[in-house]
Amino acid sequence: SAVISQKPSRDICQRGTSLTIQCQVDSQVTMMFWYRQQPGQSLTLIATANQGSEATYESGFVIDKFPISRPNLTFSTLTVSNMSPEDSSIYLCSVVPGTGPLTEAFFGQGTRLTVV
Amino acid sequence: GEDVEQSLFLSVREGDSSVINCTYTDSSSTYLYWYKQEPGAGLQLLTYIFSNMDMKQDQRLTVLLNKKDKHLSLRIADTQTGDSAIYFCADNWGATNKLIFGTGTLLAVQP
Repeated sequence: SAVISQKPSRDICQRGTSLTIQCQVDSQVTMMFWYRQQPGQSLTLIATANQGSEATYESGFVIDKFPISRPNLTFSTLTVSNMSPEDSSIYLCSVVPGTGPLTEAFFGQGTRLTVV
Repeated sequence: GEDVEQSLFLSVREGDSSVINCTYTDSSSTYLYWYKQEPGAGLQLLTYIFSNMDMKQDQRLTVLLNKKDKHLSLRIADTQTGDSAIYFCADNWGATNKLIFGTGTLLAVQP
């Protein structure tokens, strides 16, 4: 299993500013992902955070808006840049321990972001 | 792309069984999952099933998979008020490590 700590747990930000969300895992993990959950909706994958290389973004998400860092196997950050009210969501970090086929993905508690 | 659908809402009485349904479109998924999300909390993995299985039982939870119809269900026996939450099904799209989530089903348990 994996224990994930996400910071901050919530924040209220002014439009036009940026927020960096941290994800710390208690063990080395190969795969780390960032998801967004807009109000009342399901989770949408933003990107795969690759250790030592650029993140892989899903359709509709770009690096300029959501820069991601993954300096090692236990830590990643997601930045929400130049925020607008439409960015108000819960952002979740997810990890898949091990290197075999996906059997279990663990999620952080999420960061609840409100942009005013 | 992959599409995962669920009914939006289910209401049951305490002690009854709950059945939450999910349909998906990706035939190459290798694992299918059920997650629980309580208000203000993150996601908790409840159970998962490998795509070559028909059924998996784990205490009060029973997962049924009909791969031909691409239909997945989660049965919760003896539903309790603590089971009230949003339940998401998910699959690993294209047998990758990416999870595609369903729309979520809000389960309301009446005392």
